[in-house]
Amino acid sequence: AQTVTQSQPEMSVQEAETVTLSCTYDTSESDYYLFWYKQPPSRQMILVIRQEAYKQQNATENRFSVNFQKAAKSFSLKISDSQLGDAAMYFCAYRGDSGGSNYKLTFGKGTLLTVNP
Amino acid sequence: KAGVTQTPRYLIKTRGQQVTLSCSPISGHRSVSWYQQTPGQGLQFLFEYFSETQRNKGNFPGRFSGRQFSNSRSEMNVSTLELGDSALYLCASSPGTNRDTIYFGEGSWLTVV
Repeated sequence: AQTVTQSQPEMSVQEAETVTLSCTYDTSESDYYLFWYKQPPSRQMILVIRQEAYKQQNATENRFSVNFQKAAKSFSLKISDSQLGDAAMYFCAYRGDSGGSNYKLTFGKGTLLTVNP
Repeated sequence: KAGVTQTPRYLIKTRGQQVTLSCSPISGHRSVSWYQQTPGQGLQFLFEYFSETQRNKGNFPGRFSGRQFSNSRSEMNVSTLELGDSALYLCASSPGTNRDTIYFGEGSWLTVV
């Protein structure tokens, strides 16, 4: 079974600075998809960024970028120029491309990000 | 385009009762999945439906069930509620292929007393 590990329960960053959230995963599949979701206090899960495993290029969405290391099974999220609105719980998630993992997300435990003014 | 809509948003039930939660997916999405979020267990997959068929199911007891209607709306039911069923239940939708991104609703908060 696939597992996702987020080793940082909490992180903090100063406004306008950069922070990196870590995520590792375990899978025997060769094709899969990785996601970072943000869950603010409203509790709605909001997609931040996604990465296809077959793509070597790291995904970028405005101030958010990932460092995807397939061999190391590592998928970190970098937030540049942090803003107060970035404060939230961040979840790393895995979705397989075959078999039972096709139609579901496997989540890490989350990292609570605090942004200090 | 409207997002994923869940009703009710908040509810309180008594142990032993049953509850039904409803989810309307994004227009055009045919896949609906459900997740349970608790402080202790985190986010756990319940089940996923596509075109009224359950394609995948998580490791939950038979008290947890779901269904999907022909308009892609979905319901999940929990019978014989236990205190441990208190959680945020998140519904998510996607077009339905394994390459799709999954989009979430705001969740239904269930408290069992």
